[in-house]
Amino acid sequence: EVQLVDSGGGLVQPGGSLRLSCAASGFTFSNYWMTWVRQAPGKGLEWVANINQDGREKYYVDSVKGRFTISRDNAKNSLYLQMNSLTVEDTAIYYCAKDGYNDYWGQGTLVTVSS
Amino acid sequence: DIVMTQSPDSLAVSLGERATINCKSSQSVLYNSNNKNYLAWYQQKPGQPPKLLIYWASTRQSGVPDRFSGSGSGTDFTLTISSLQAEDVAVYYCQQYYFTPRTFGQGTKLEIK
Repeated sequence: EVQLVDSGGGLVQPGGSLRLSCAASGFTFSNYWMTWVRQAPGKGLEWVANINQDGREKYYVDSVKGRFTISRDNAKNSLYLQMNSLTVEDTAIYYCAKDGYNDYWGQGTLVTVSS
Repeated sequence: DIVMTQSPDSLAVSLGERATINCKSSQSVLYNSNNKNYLAWYQQKPGQPPKLLIYWASTRQSGVPDRFSGSGSGTDFTLTISSLQAEDVAVYYCQQYYFTPRTFGQGTKLEIK
């Protein structure tokens, strides 16, 4: 059974940092592009970033470029999102998912940026 | 960036009736080399992650009831629920996965009339 388990969310002050993790199982993680998608409270879905199979290609939505870094560890079947210089606009549930058409999603982890 | 525009923003349909949601992309998401439209539809219920319903614009994901169907090509797409059930109350999103950044429509809230 495919599982994606998101973790690492929490309350952080503006300007702070947080690292999200996504543990994958049930499929050959190293064969797939992976992605992060977020959803602000009461709002729609926003694609954040994706990464190719070996971690050498990475793409970001403009609003997080230079602040967020996506990475992966195929030996640990894990995906990460390092978030720096957080602002209140980054408050959202963050989901990891397989890239392309997102057939599997994590349950999400809530990031709240507030003073 | 590709802009995905859904219509309507909200929709109320009687049980057993047809529901239709439209999605328009600002550029074609049809890849001519394989004749595939890089367009997906998702259903999201409160407190849950999105669930994939349709990919390649018209391919139903395994386990999705056949009352859900997708159609369209190029820039104009439609999600149809042929006979609305109570459990179909949700927000529906389209997404293009042809270009990076991937982009979603703003969502359509479907309710029972």
